[in-house]
Amino acid sequence: AQSVTQLDSHVSVSEGTPVLLRCNYSSSYSPSLFWYVQHPNKGLQLLLKYTSAATLVKGINGFEAEFKKSETSFHLTKPSAHMSDAAEYFCVRGGYSTLTFGKGTMLLVSP
Amino acid sequence: EAGVAQSPRYKIIEKRQSVAFWCNPISGHATLYWYQQILGQGPKLLIQFQNNGVVDDSQLPKDRFSAERLKGVDSTLKIQPAKLEDSAVYLCASSSTWTGTEAFFGQGTRLTVV
Repeated sequence: AQSVTQLDSHVSVSEGTPVLLRCNYSSSYSPSLFWYVQHPNKGLQLLLKYTSAATLVKGINGFEAEFKKSETSFHLTKPSAHMSDAAEYFCVRGGYSTLTFGKGTMLLVSP
Repeated sequence: EAGVAQSPRYKIIEKRQSVAFWCNPISGHATLYWYQQILGQGPKLLIQFQNNGVVDDSQLPKDRFSAERLKGVDSTLKIQPAKLEDSAVYLCASSSTWTGTEAFFGQGTRLTVV
């Protein structure tokens, strides 16, 4: 079965330091991959998407992700964390017909 | 562009009662999803529609859950009878195609079964 694995359930950073949220996927072909963010009591918002064009994808709010086929990874990064980045982040793969979610990574940002 | 609309936002019911949720997708989006998100977990697909046909309902507990998308536009998800473990946020999403492209999500309905 095609799946998505988010390697960390929680990540803690200080404001102003870099963010790295890790995601690996399993697939026999190049999938579509997405990162969504969910703030408390809010809906899911699309941060960025990879659909077999450029391997380095830029998203909203300074986030970006790099698709690495050799490592089957799609890690999310941001150079400098902001307090407003504190939320839950989901790595999502698009298959032939549906979207499969990872279990999520809670990003905690301290002052 | 209007987003995905869901109602109600919150619902509290007793176990064994029934409940229904409504979703209106983004205009022109052929694909509609219902996801269940239990606290602390990622969303789990319950059912996916392409227009008014079902693409995937393999994880829908069909003995108590049902969903329909009449006329290929808005959709209703029903639970009858509800169990305590159905307490979750029910998310509706839509996308323009069915080949795993990005989906746009509504605010969700938070269901509490007591």
